[in-house]
Amino acid sequence: SAVISQKPSRDICQRGTSLTIQCQVDSQVTMMFWYRQQPGQSLTLIATANQGSEATYESGFVIDKFPISRPNLTFSTLTVSNMSPEDSSIYLCSVGLTRGGYTFGSGTRLTVV
Amino acid sequence: AQTVTQSQPEMSVQEAETVTLSCTYDTSESDYYLFWYKQPPSRQMILVIRQEAYKQQNATENRFSVNFQKAAKSFSLKISDSQLGDAAMYFCAYHREGAQKLVFGQGTRLTINP
Repeated sequence: SAVISQKPSRDICQRGTSLTIQCQVDSQVTMMFWYRQQPGQSLTLIATANQGSEATYESGFVIDKFPISRPNLTFSTLTVSNMSPEDSSIYLCSVGLTRGGYTFGSGTRLTVV
Repeated sequence: AQTVTQSQPEMSVQEAETVTLSCTYDTSESDYYLFWYKQPPSRQMILVIRQEAYKQQNATENRFSVNFQKAAKSFSLKISDSQLGDAAMYFCAYHREGAQKLVFGQGTRLTINP
């Protein structure tokens, strides 16, 4: 199965600033997924990133707040823009497995102060 | 819309004992996948076990097994011979065949008592 390297592992940011999270996969994958896990909560899909096309966002998430890049089949970034304390969460990227299901990066713990 | 429900926010078990975590789901699809993921304090999501809906046989992975009841839309996880390293949040998840989206339950926090 694919191995994902996600960076940074954690960060503390000032409100109003932006943070870009990177995910590098050790194999080519068609779709990459970005999830948010708010404190004490389950995972919620933010968007699906396909190489060569615009990301598809879930209800409640917009491109201006969470712009995503997918320059090639092994890499993607998620930016959390104009951050507020409500954006404090764990952000995880994920890719699909050939037999169904997904593998995840190690997550980015974001704290906004 | 598909939903996944975990009715046990917390569970605890004595080391070496057996524990069962519950999960129910709602879908009108006939082809789908079900999963249990483990999330220790390191926050890494680890795939524990998967079940294809078209398979009648329950999946097993070493000490982990599932009881998949398709008609009842139930998918419980049994952990045998519990170990301290099993302590984590456990999430039940679903996605339909060909879908892009994993739907997660609310999670169950499992504590292992030495």
